[in-house]
Amino acid sequence: DGGITQSPKYLFRKEGQNVTLSCEQNLNHDAMYWYRQDPGQGLRLIYYSQIVNDFQKGDIAEGYSVSREKKESFPLTVTSAQKNPTAFYLCASSIRVLYGYTFGSGTRLTVV
Amino acid sequence: GQQVMQIPQYQHVQEGEDFTTYCNSSTTLSNIQWYKQRPGGHPVFLIQLVKSGEVKKQKRLTFQFGEAKKNSSLHITATQTTDVGTYFCAGMIGTASKLTFGTGTRLQVTL
Repeated sequence: DGGITQSPKYLFRKEGQNVTLSCEQNLNHDAMYWYRQDPGQGLRLIYYSQIVNDFQKGDIAEGYSVSREKKESFPLTVTSAQKNPTAFYLCASSIRVLYGYTFGSGTRLTVV
Repeated sequence: GQQVMQIPQYQHVQEGEDFTTYCNSSTTLSNIQWYKQRPGGHPVFLIQLVKSGEVKKQKRLTFQFGEAKKNSSLHITATQTTDVGTYFCAGMIGTASKLTFGTGTRLQVTL
């Protein structure tokens, strides 16, 4: 079945360490997105990519970095510069802009 | 930055009652999408509206897009416990190629 896979589901890291969250899709979607969700809050866009080897900053890109070397993959690195990294991270994809998003099941990151 | 607001933030209804959530943007939206997120889960796409004044139905769910394309609503008739979750609207503002999500409405349904 086609879908988006995020791994791991839960991740614990010590403060000051960089961590990379994986996002892989086999839907042949052009666009991919990373959102952050804090408890009881909405979704805030971190980065998005409409095509391979190209990506744009979202509303809260500071302290994060991404790459899009393959159509299927859009990993997110949470760097030590991110001041409050503990959150639920959601990856999504869409066949193109103006189409509905398919979300992965998310990664809950806890930094201690 | 641009914001998309939803009201109410939370609503608790008895099973069988109707429910409506409203989505408002200060600027014109190119489209509006609706998502449902069950507790502990991830958002799931429900529907997209593109035309001014558009109305779409999915069984007990009715979605509307305002004439000015600045607001939208989701109405659920005769709620069931399976409707529990948070409902998000999301829209593209102007020529932006990304969705701005609303603040969400959490629905609780009890017997």
